Amino acid sequence: QLQLQESGPGLVKPSETLSLTCTVSGGSISSTNYYWGWIRQPPGKGLEWIVSIHYSGSTYYNASLKSRVTISVDTSKNQFSLRLSSVTAADTAVYYCARKTVGATNPFDYWGQGTLVTVSS
Amino acid sequence: QSVLTQPPSASGTPGQRVTISCSGSSSNIGSNTINWYQQLPGTAPKLLIYNNNQRPSGVPDRFSGSKSGTSASLAISGLQSEDEADYYCAAWDASLDGWVFGGGTKLTVL
Repeated sequence: QLQLQESGPGLVKPSETLSLTCTVSGGSISSTNYYWGWIRQPPGKGLEWIVSIHYSGSTYYNASLKSRVTISVDTSKNQFSLRLSSVTAADTAVYYCARKTVGATNPFDYWGQGTLVTVSS
Repeated sequence: QSVLTQPPSASGTPGQRVTISCSGSSSNIGSNTINWYQQLPGTAPKLLIYNNNQRPSGVPDRFSGSKSGTSASLAISGLQSEDEADYYCAAWDASLDGWVFGGGTKLTVL
């Protein structure tokens, strides 16, 4: 059974960089069949897709966040990571990592439990 | 200001049939398939419907989806108390080259 687990600091100061890692178990992040992504949800609000990456390096970004987002894959650890720079209070959210099958319209079918990141001094 | 538009709330009594709408445009729903997610309180979203009307293994057939033009609907028949959750529609947007979500609909079982 595939499992995804987010990890990282729960508190980040304004203007600093948010860093999160998603550890994948029960499956290989190096599979050609899947993209891996990050989606966030501000408290009490809806879902916002951030970015998706294939282990080969192919990446899709939310245009509104692209200038601040870095995503990477570590196949040796079966992990992928998100960095979001210059954070503000508006970046406070539960951050989910998720998997989707290759193919633009295929959905995110496996999700992590999410991790709350608060931006505050 | 979500790209896909959903009603903020819906409600029904046990056993009733309810529908939740999702409205978009030609660049998302109009040209790509729609997916629906169920988010129970305090949990991660769960894929409920994909490819407009397909149910993943384990999703009861009480849940169904449809699409027409630039709109889509999620229907829940035989409403149960455990269906009380937030529901989100999602689609790939060819103009934005990315995923867009609806703002979510909170379903209350009265």
